[in-house]
Amino acid sequence: EAGVAQSPRYKIIEKRQSVAFWCNPISGHATLYWYQQILGQGPKLLIQFQNNGVVDDSQLPKDRFSAERLKGVDSTLKIQPAKLEDSAVYLCASSFDRYNEQFFGPGTRLTVL
Amino acid sequence: DAKTTQPPSMDCAEGRAANLPCNHSTISGNEYVYWYRQIHSQGPQYIIHGLKNNETNEMASLIITEDRKSSTLILPHATLRDTAVYYCIVEDDGGSNYKLTFGKGTLLTVNP
Repeated sequence: EAGVAQSPRYKIIEKRQSVAFWCNPISGHATLYWYQQILGQGPKLLIQFQNNGVVDDSQLPKDRFSAERLKGVDSTLKIQPAKLEDSAVYLCASSFDRYNEQFFGPGTRLTVL
Repeated sequence: DAKTTQPPSMDCAEGRAANLPCNHSTISGNEYVYWYRQIHSQGPQYIIHGLKNNETNEMASLIITEDRKSSTLILPHATLRDTAVYYCIVEDDGGSNYKLTFGKGTLLTVNP
């Protein structure tokens, strides 16, 4: 079966610019996650969707980060405006439901200059 | 914060068993232990999970102590492709929402 798709794979922007990441989960997976992974650390959950509803966004910096999952399938994560400390790999994952194993995409490496 | 403690790094010879320890002394009775790994420049990959009984699948075995305060992931015959960061995670039961909080994990290096 096809895995979790993410694009772009790499992005370089200047601080204060905006950026968007796209994720296509595995077909049939109701739960979708966005993680931020800073170099040398484990992934940190930013937001979790169950179908098209938000289940947990407690660690999402809502003043600059936003995410949506239209029609309960694809999802986009946006940062506006970006800061230097946003440089990280952004990982998307999906699971059949919130109690099942998570399948991760390859990630998008963001560099903010 | 992560509920687990793991050594930052370990080495293993190719073909030998790799035993990765994890301490989770504050685990609750209904919380599962999950193991994921992350090969360089890839997303994490699920390996195995368990509650109280030992578990085995095609990738690894998970041994959980009787008091559930620690566990060991066993890769029976490590290969060079098993070089990765291994994360031991106790699910965070925030009410009805289960989520995984990753720590820094253990970097396992398999040497030829």
